[in-house]
Amino acid sequence: KAGVTQTPRYLIKTRGQQVTLSCSPISGHRSVSWYQQTPGQGLQFLFEYFSETQRNKGNFPGRFSGRQFSNSRSEMNVSTLELGDSALYLCASSWDRGLDEQYFGPGTRLTVT
Amino acid sequence: AQSVTQPDIHITVSEGASLELRCNYSYGATPYLFWYVQSPGQGLQLLLKYFSGDTLVQGIKGFEAEFKRSQSSFNLRKPSVHWSDAAEYFCAVGLYGGSQGNLIFGKGTKLSVKP
Repeated sequence: KAGVTQTPRYLIKTRGQQVTLSCSPISGHRSVSWYQQTPGQGLQFLFEYFSETQRNKGNFPGRFSGRQFSNSRSEMNVSTLELGDSALYLCASSWDRGLDEQYFGPGTRLTVT
Repeated sequence: AQSVTQPDIHITVSEGASLELRCNYSYGATPYLFWYVQSPGQGLQLLLKYFSGDTLVQGIKGFEAEFKRSQSSFNLRKPSVHWSDAAEYFCAVGLYGGSQGNLIFGKGTKLSVKP
């Protein structure tokens, strides 16, 4: 069974631009969560989607948004990029909500210059 | 608020030596606990998890962890470290809902292995 895939793997953007990251969960998984990983703050929860609905959201500004499609694929968008948005963005999928085991993708490394 | 503390930022052990990575959590109820490993440039891989029952949990790659409620700890151990174990290790507490998400991670412990 294929794992969680994330595209692109690497991205360089300029301040003020916007970016869209994509995540394809493991086949059959319905829940997708997004995390931001930085050296200073560690792993921080962004949001969780289940059945195309955002079920949970972390403490991030409204510039961070996401969505989930009917095939469970998910995208996250960051508008008006800031230097501090440079991070590794990780997507995790699980079969169901709650504390079901989460499987992580390799991440998208975003650099904002 | 719930939190996870990994007191050791960086640990170096010799290949073949034993390993113990510490994890302490702050959580009001019986927690769900996880250990993940992250190799450079990779995502996180689940090593093991504790939900209930036997407090000594076996995981992949020869790792085990012991849940000690009285000490609010969930330390990860391996009897003999291999060079391929060099990576960053994250302890996490599982919640359900809330703005912190379903997993609250510690800051991680980076493991280096000396030949």
